[in-house]
Amino acid sequence: GQQVMQIPQYQHVQEGEDFTTYCNSSTTLSNIQWYKQRPGGHPVFLIQLVKSGEVKKQKRLTFQFGEAKKNSSLHITATQTTDVGTYFCAGPGSSNTGKLIFGQGTTLQVKP
Amino acid sequence: NAGVTQTPKFQVLKTGQSMTLQCAQDMNHEYMSWYRQDPGMGLRLIHYSVGAGITDQGEVPNGYNVSRSTTEDFPLRLLSAAPSQTSVYFCASSYSRLRDRGNSPLHFGNGTRLTVT
Repeated sequence: GQQVMQIPQYQHVQEGEDFTTYCNSSTTLSNIQWYKQRPGGHPVFLIQLVKSGEVKKQKRLTFQFGEAKKNSSLHITATQTTDVGTYFCAGPGSSNTGKLIFGQGTTLQVKP
Repeated sequence: NAGVTQTPKFQVLKTGQSMTLQCAQDMNHEYMSWYRQDPGMGLRLIHYSVGAGITDQGEVPNGYNVSRSTTEDFPLRLLSAAPSQTSVYFCASSYSRLRDRGNSPLHFGNGTRLTVT
């Protein structure tokens, strides 16, 4: 079945350093969504990418969708302690059923 | 609007017991789903529903039942709890993932932390 893989699983950075998480799908995606989950909280939608090669920015966060629409990345510039949490990518299921399949997530720890 | 409401927040069961996790949304969302979250495993889809009266299996459906008699409610039933079902369960809904070709973002509830001993 369809798989969505994320790397790395964990990342520890010093405050001010950059951070990147990568998402790869076994199949071509019509779109990809990114979510953030703060410790003890629930996932919250960040952004959606739809077009091949699309790049979107939210302040210090930059999201990219690969040309082949099988991979995506989230880059955070100059991390802050408020960036701590787990970041998930998610893509539609391979069949046209509307279901959303999540990657394993990347947990970011930021040392002040 | 309350959004997506899950009850209970915490639950401890003994092996073999049954229970129902409740999920309700007041956003008139057609799509509802249940995920479980385990360390290192991310969010795995248990069951989902694209509308009232329609349900389907996700990635890890065994040991769980669902029904969708109304648009608002999507309860998850554990028939005979097992220690392997110890997890955090999230209910999530969205406007419509079929009519908008999967573009609707998911709104998550606060989760239910379940421990089976």
